[in-house]
Amino acid sequence: GQNIDQPTEMTATEGAIVQINCTYQTSGFNGLFWYQQHAGEAPTFLSYNVLDGLEEKGRFSSFLSRSKGYSYLLLKELQMKDSASYLCAVGPAGGSYIPTFGRGTSLIVHP
Amino acid sequence: GAGVSQSPRYKVAKRGQDVALRCDPISGHVSLFWYQQALGQGPEFLTYFQNEAQLDKSGLPSDRFFAERPEGSVSTLKIQRTQQEDSAVYLCASSLNGQGALTEAFFGQGTRLTVV
Repeated sequence: GQNIDQPTEMTATEGAIVQINCTYQTSGFNGLFWYQQHAGEAPTFLSYNVLDGLEEKGRFSSFLSRSKGYSYLLLKELQMKDSASYLCAVGPAGGSYIPTFGRGTSLIVHP
Repeated sequence: GAGVSQSPRYKVAKRGQDVALRCDPISGHVSLFWYQQALGQGPEFLTYFQNEAQLDKSGLPSDRFFAERPEGSVSTLKIQRTQQEDSAVYLCASSLNGQGALTEAFFGQGTRLTVV
């Protein structure tokens, strides 16, 4: 089975840096995704990590440690529009290619 | 189309009514997923298609839920005799590759179902 844990809610200040953590316990592993979801909208893809280390893409970076079952999403130079839910999703191995999602972290950016 | 399209965007159904939710995936995408998302929760897996084959329906909550993708493109999720607990956003996602290759999934905007 899959167990994915991430904080329910975080707040941060415009211009700051915030790190959203995700821990997972899965029966297999075939990559970890981060999605952003604004209220009432579809989740949109942010990043995909399959190997350990940091992947940087503009203001967003994602880190993975497979041995620890741990990932984080780092958002720099926060903007008000970054207020959204951030979903961690794990793709299990062994022929099941179906991403399993955590409940999401609601990030509130305030001035 | 350029993205995943779902219709209707909003559906209000009376308890006991049957509903059909449609998903048009990105052209050429092999994999199609249906998820159910309750308010404040992450998407919960319902069912998965690879082309026209329904390879996994383990997430369907009851036999009132049925999904099909007869020609390997458009998919329909049908819910019979709707109950209030079926109220949620139903998300469809497609991805390019099939079994053995996990790639990013592109989501539609969802259908918000409210059962009254």
